[in-house]
Amino acid sequence: DAEITQSPRHKITETGRQVTLACHQTWNHNNMFWYRQDLGHGLRLIHYSYGVQDTNKGEVSDGYSVSRSNTEDLPLTLESAASSQTSVYFCASSAPGTAETQYFGPGTRLLVL
Amino acid sequence: SQQGEEDPQALSIQEGENATMNCSYKTSINNLQWYRQNSGRGLVHLILIRSNEREKHSGRLRVTLDTSKKSSSLLITASRAADTASYFCATRTPSGANSKLTFGKGITLSVRP
Repeated sequence: DAEITQSPRHKITETGRQVTLACHQTWNHNNMFWYRQDLGHGLRLIHYSYGVQDTNKGEVSDGYSVSRSNTEDLPLTLESAASSQTSVYFCASSAPGTAETQYFGPGTRLLVL
Repeated sequence: SQQGEEDPQALSIQEGENATMNCSYKTSINNLQWYRQNSGRGLVHLILIRSNEREKHSGRLRVTLDTSKKSSSLLITASRAADTASYFCATRTPSGANSKLTFGKGITLSVRP
């Protein structure tokens, strides 16, 4: 069955370190998204991609970067982790079209000390 | 910025009762979607209603859309303890073939056995 996976599921890191969160989908979806979820803010879009070599900034992109070298993967990199980036991160994918229902991964809980 | 705003923020009901959750949004939409999130998990798509539709049903779910009031409601009938979760509305705006979803902050539903 097609799925979307994230790794690691839990991560503790220190301020200033570079961290990469992995997202892998086997839906063969062109569209992929990264969100962060924080109490009181709901889901906020960090970056998104509509296909290989395409990346776009979301509403909270500062301090994050993504790259899309193939259809299946969209890794999210925190260039220099900050305590404000402690959050739960969700990856999602969708097929382009008028509906664009998104399929979510299980999330990565990141703690920046 | 949030396009969808859910109401109430939290809802507690007895098993067997109906649960009604509301979502308001600000700009024109292509469709509106409802998602469920169980504790510690990713979001799961529940139902989608297009801008030219007024009501849709899926099992115990009924969603309505009033584009003149820019609002939607999700009704869960005969609730069960397993319906305990957070519920999010998400709107897709008409900005091309590949537009993104904007999520609200969510409603926490507790169903007491």
